Amino acid sequence: KNQVEQSPQSLIILEGKNCTLQCNYTVSPFSNLRWYKQDTGRGPVSLTIMTFSENTKSNGRYTATLDADTKQSSLHITASQLSDSASYICVVSGKTSYDKVIFGPGTSLSVIP
Amino acid sequence: EAGVAQSPRYKIIEKRQSVAFWCNPISGHATLYWYQQILGQGPKLLIQFQNNGVVDDSQLPKDRFSAERLKGVDSTLKIQPAKLEDSAVYLCASSLDRGGLRAHEQYFGPGTRLTVT
Repeated sequence: KNQVEQSPQSLIILEGKNCTLQCNYTVSPFSNLRWYKQDTGRGPVSLTIMTFSENTKSNGRYTATLDADTKQSSLHITASQLSDSASYICVVSGKTSYDKVIFGPGTSLSVIP
Repeated sequence: EAGVAQSPRYKIIEKRQSVAFWCNPISGHATLYWYQQILGQGPKLLIQFQNNGVVDDSQLPKDRFSAERLKGVDSTLKIQPAKLEDSAVYLCASSLDRGGLRAHEQYFGPGTRLTVT
C-alpha cells in the first residue's frame, strides 16, 4: 500500500533555531517528492520538488534532502522565523499522470519568540 | 498569473442540509482535484478530473458527495445531505500535467471551511 508518514506530528522551537522534519514513504514506482507549506487558513504552497535522482534541493532557508534507496526525505529549516509557523506536508507522486499523489499527514511547526 | 479561485470561503450549515462549493482552476490547467482536509490532518483526495473526465473518485462518498466539471474548466462539489463529520476544509487544486518534472505540481486554492452543526 502506498503511504507517506511524517514525524514529528508537531514541533515547537524558539525563533532563530534550526529544525528538521522527516518524511518516510512507500510509494512505488516513484516520480517525485514535494514539500508544501500550509499556513493556517490557506491552501498548501510548494517549497521544493525533487526527482529520484536528486539528493538535495534548497529554497532560501529551506533545504530538502532525499534518499531514494531508503525512501526517506527531510526538510531542514535554518534560522527559523515566526512566519515559519505552519504545517509542512510531504507529498509523493507516482510515475504517470494517472498515478496517485499521496499526501502525508503533515508536521505542525510553531516558532515562538 | 491568477491562482485557483474558490468560493465561498466559509460556510455554516445544519446537518442534513445541502451545500455546494465552486472552484475555478488556473487557466490552461487540465487536471483539477478536490480534497477534504480535516483539522490536523493532510488533505485527502476526493476526486480528480482530467479535463472533464473523472480519473479517480475512489474516496468520494458517492451516496452524499457529487462533483462535476462541465466544459473542462470550473468545477462544483456538492454535499447532500451533510453530516457532522463533513466539517472540514475543502481544497481545490489544479495542475498542468504535461509531464516532466512539473508533472502533478498542484496549485491550491484558499479552501472553503465548512462547519456542519
